Parts: sequence; structure tokens; C-alpha cells
Amino acid sequence: EAGVAQSPRYKIIEKRQSVAFWCNPISGHATLYWYQQILGQGPKLLIQFQNNGVVDDSQLPKDRFSAERLKGVDSTLKIQPAKLEDSAVYLCASSLDRTDSYEQYFGPGTRLTVT
Amino acid sequence: AQSVTQLDSHVSVSEGTPVLLRCNYSSSYSPSLFWYVQHPNKGLQLLLKYTSAATLVKGINGFEAEFKKSETSFHLTKPSAHMSDAAEYFCVVSRRDVNNDMRFGAGTRLTVKP
Repeated sequence: EAGVAQSPRYKIIEKRQSVAFWCNPISGHATLYWYQQILGQGPKLLIQFQNNGVVDDSQLPKDRFSAERLKGVDSTLKIQPAKLEDSAVYLCASSLDRTDSYEQYFGPGTRLTVT
Repeated sequence: AQSVTQLDSHVSVSEGTPVLLRCNYSSSYSPSLFWYVQHPNKGLQLLLKYTSAATLVKGINGFEAEFKKSETSFHLTKPSAHMSDAAEYFCVVSRRDVNNDMRFGAGTRLTVKP
């Protein structure tokens, strides 16, 4: 079974630039998550999708971050404009369904450096 | 609301000796608790989870954890450390049977000395 795919793996941008990350979840997984992991901290949930609808985006900085999951499969996370404090690893995860009865499977992450 | 506190940011053990990684949780609801491991440049992997059945949970690679409600703890143990266990470990809490809103601890880095 193929795992969660993310691209790019690394990205370096200057502050105020824009950046986008892509995630392809495990086939058949209805729920998709984006996490932000700042160095030295645990992952923090940014947004959760159930199929192509948003379930929880309470911790997403909506003035600069946006995410979409068209057709309920792939997802993109965008930052515009980026700030220095956005430097982090952005993790995508997917699960069969939305309760914690279903294991979340994580991708390798995208490491973003904002200079 | 729920949260976890990992009591040690770094634990160092010798190969073949026991491992203890400590985690305390706080939850207003019946919690589910997890331990994840993160090896360098690899994705997070689930070690084990507690969701209301047996309080002693066995996971992969010889790890286990015991849910102690009276102490609000969910410590991770392994009888004998292996070099390949060196990694970052995260304790996670979520509200059982609701949106999978997992709250991660800050992590414990495990070093295994030869």
C-alpha cells in the first residue's frame, strides 16, 4: 500500500513570498490533515478535511494560510505572504475516517525555511 | 480541552537497558492516548494507542504503555533498548470517538549509547 506522498520535500523562500505544498493521501482515506511542526515542538493541527469539506480549521492562520481539497483526494496548503515564523516542517496525514478509532498515517513532510 | 506534558525533553540510555519515557495528560473528556515515533527524515509512525480497553497496551518493537487514570499518566516503556530505537517520541491525546483532534506533546529525544 502506497503511503502519504508530499512535495516538495524542501523549500527555501524569502519572507513575503508565497509557497504551496501538495499532499496525496492514501487511496480511499476520507480524512486528511495538515500539521505544522516547528523545530523542537510537536506537530500542531492546522486543518482537517472530511472528503472535500473542512471539519476543523480553528488553528489555521487564515490571514495568510489557505488550504483546499478539491474532489476529496489531493490537497494543497498555501502560505501567502510567508513570515519568518512560518519556518517549520509541514506534515500531511490521512485516515480512513475522522474519529480516533482510525489510525492517522503521516507523510514525510515538507521542510520550509523562510529567510 | 486536552493536552499532554512530556516530562523529559531528552533521555539517554545504554543499549540493552530499560527505557522509560514519561507522559502526563490533561483532558476534560474520556481520552484516547497514543505514542508516535519519528526517525530522522521519516514520517511519524504509530507505536501504540489506548482507547478504553485494557490499560496495559502493547505496541510494535517491544514497546508498551500503561494508562493510569488516577495519576493521569501514560508512560512508555521497553525492557531492553536497541540502537534502532534512537528517535523522537511523541505522546498524543485526543477526545475519544470524536473528531480526530490529536494534541501532541513537545517530544522526547531518545539516545541509545552502545
